[in-house]
Amino acid sequence: DQQVKQNSPSLSVQEGRISILNCDYTNSMFDYFLWYKKYPAEGPTFLISISSIKDKNEDGRFTVFLNKSAKHLSLHIVPSQPGDSAVYFCAASAGSQGNLIFGKGTKLSVKP
Amino acid sequence: EAGVAQSPRYKIIEKRQSVAFWCNPISGHATLYWYQQILGQGPKLLIQFQNNGVVDDSQLPKDRFSAERLKGVDSTLKIQPAKLEDSAVYLCASSLEPGFHSGSRNTQYFGPGTRLTVL
Repeated sequence: DQQVKQNSPSLSVQEGRISILNCDYTNSMFDYFLWYKKYPAEGPTFLISISSIKDKNEDGRFTVFLNKSAKHLSLHIVPSQPGDSAVYFCAASAGSQGNLIFGKGTKLSVKP
Repeated sequence: EAGVAQSPRYKIIEKRQSVAFWCNPISGHATLYWYQQILGQGPKLLIQFQNNGVVDDSQLPKDRFSAERLKGVDSTLKIQPAKLEDSAVYLCASSLEPGFHSGSRNTQYFGPGTRLTVL
């Protein structure tokens, strides 16, 4: 049973516009959430994270929103750039020593 | 700062053969992870080391998979014998500390992975 779900396998956005990537989770014990970005033939790279005590975390063009009641988080990229084209993985952890559980990823394509 | 190194980058073997992957983490990182990423899926943790001790190997298929980190630095992951369903990318990651409680010290840095194809 998938505990972290990314229901959109792909997303295409125009350069300069907002990209919104979504993630749902089922385990109410998850208390730390992360987004990783992955280019082809490279390992995932940490992008941004959020603790369950917050509902928003911002880092430059990247903002993560957490809605605990809906068990939903989203990553906003504004403005989107062609270099943002990659696969984005949502991941979650339960407890400070918990393991990372990854979603299947969403492939973002930003078109010039 | 050098990143996580992995070798080989690609490996093709026939089922029932054995294979080994090597990982060199970022210098000073005490925590090392091995993940399996099957095509179309997210990475799945196989084993976590803290220095040279195993912290979590609950998802490691121990009948065929083994891993070691003898001196608390480099690590090897072995599959013997391989099955068709072992075809995947094997990712190694490292962090200064385990867990997710204190920001950048917990960030997991991934290597480029080893793509294994079992025929």
